Amino acid sequence: NAGVTQTPKFRVLKTGQSMTLLCAQDMNHEYMYWYRQDPGMGLRLIHYSVGEGTTAKGEVPDGYNVSRLKKQNFLLGLESAAPSQTSVYFCASSPTVEGNQPQHFGDGTRLSIL
Amino acid sequence: GQNIDQPTEMTATEGAIVQINCTYQTSGFNGLFWYQQHAGEAPTFLSYNVLDGLEEKGRFSSFLSRSKGYSYLLLKELQMKDSASYLCAVVDSNYQLIWGAGTKLIIKP
Repeated sequence: NAGVTQTPKFRVLKTGQSMTLLCAQDMNHEYMYWYRQDPGMGLRLIHYSVGEGTTAKGEVPDGYNVSRLKKQNFLLGLESAAPSQTSVYFCASSPTVEGNQPQHFGDGTRLSIL
Repeated sequence: GQNIDQPTEMTATEGAIVQINCTYQTSGFNGLFWYQQHAGEAPTFLSYNVLDGLEEKGRFSSFLSRSKGYSYLLLKELQMKDSASYLCAVVDSNYQLIWGAGTKLIIKP
């Protein structure tokens, strides 16, 4: 039961570098999400997708881009990394947004920007 | 604006009962979730409430009062493995989850 898989688990970047975080789910879920989690704050939505080929901005989208070329994959890109983007990034998926269907989370990517 | 309030930290004794409160002010309401998150791990689903009242699931129960914008998570017969953060999240009118900062629960023997 893989569920939601995120790679890499840890990464250290220098300011200005770019990178892509990968998220894959094997549950055939339509909806996928990227969050960041910072100490003392709730999970904040960066971008989300309601289906293959679609993406939308969340609460804190600046400095990030996403793509969902295949239903099972949701990629998060950092164009030019900044120290303020040091965080733990979680990917999640859900079959729908209605009713009692919870979001399923990956194990997270711990990203440090120096 | 939208706001979810939870206590930052609580301490309880193994075998006891603890209640973690969550109050919310959101644009619309389409349900409330509770998640558990152990340190360094992913959040995992605990419960969902959309109607007023108590939902019981083993040692865990969750209560909702929509008129008061209030929910609580009740944990009974506390075990050391219940040491974790508990996250309250409300589904708003756009069906997006608004998350509280979480309550860190420390269980002492």
